[in-house]
Amino acid sequence: GAVVSQHPSRVICKSGTSVKIECRSLDFQATTMFWYRQFPKQSLMLMATSNEGSKATYEQGVEKDKFLINHASLTLSTLTVTSAHPEDSSFYICSAPNTRNEQFFGPGTRLTVL
Amino acid sequence: DAKTTQPPSMDCAEGRAANLPCNHSTISGNEYVYWYRQIHSQGPQYIIHGLKNNETNEMASLIITEDRKSSTLILPHATLRDTAVYYCIVRVGGGNQGGKLIFGQGTELSVKP
Repeated sequence: GAVVSQHPSRVICKSGTSVKIECRSLDFQATTMFWYRQFPKQSLMLMATSNEGSKATYEQGVEKDKFLINHASLTLSTLTVTSAHPEDSSFYICSAPNTRNEQFFGPGTRLTVL
Repeated sequence: DAKTTQPPSMDCAEGRAANLPCNHSTISGNEYVYWYRQIHSQGPQYIIHGLKNNETNEMASLIITEDRKSSTLILPHATLRDTAVYYCIVRVGGGNQGGKLIFGQGTELSVKP
């Protein structure tokens, strides 16, 4: 199947700093990618839809100024958590659909904010 | 997108078939049924999807009732590595790039030796 990668896999940062997470589709192009967040023992929560060449679409309750999304190419979307705080500590996962309606997920990024 | 209902947990003996049910009684005619699974601390893995016909691939079989209000994912010979949370999701398909997936709570499947 198609491969989606994320970088970094794990990051620890100090409160108040910004963290960038990359999501890449390695063997297919994706005009749309999705960003999810998952807290321990909970399901995945969709945060936003990343659209290549245009603004991201955020789900209700997700602060667009705090979670900056850029989809600069057909294979790369980035999520920047700005001014991170301990409550932003979570497992961040991206996904990208291929042309057969199969959506592939990245391995996730574990963010810990001290 | 239609909502789904799954049992929160199930057990299965290793080597036996695991049958995971999903109710989606409000599914629309153009909504597909998707199944994903998530092994602890990993990203979800695509398993299978279908519209109205039964589907089979190398991982599993998907049985959709004739009225499309429920479906069953079948893992024919469960192994310990199939222990995971299984998510049934319905959403509109179509287009070349698909749409967003909304995850419910899923079924935590434990395969026991």
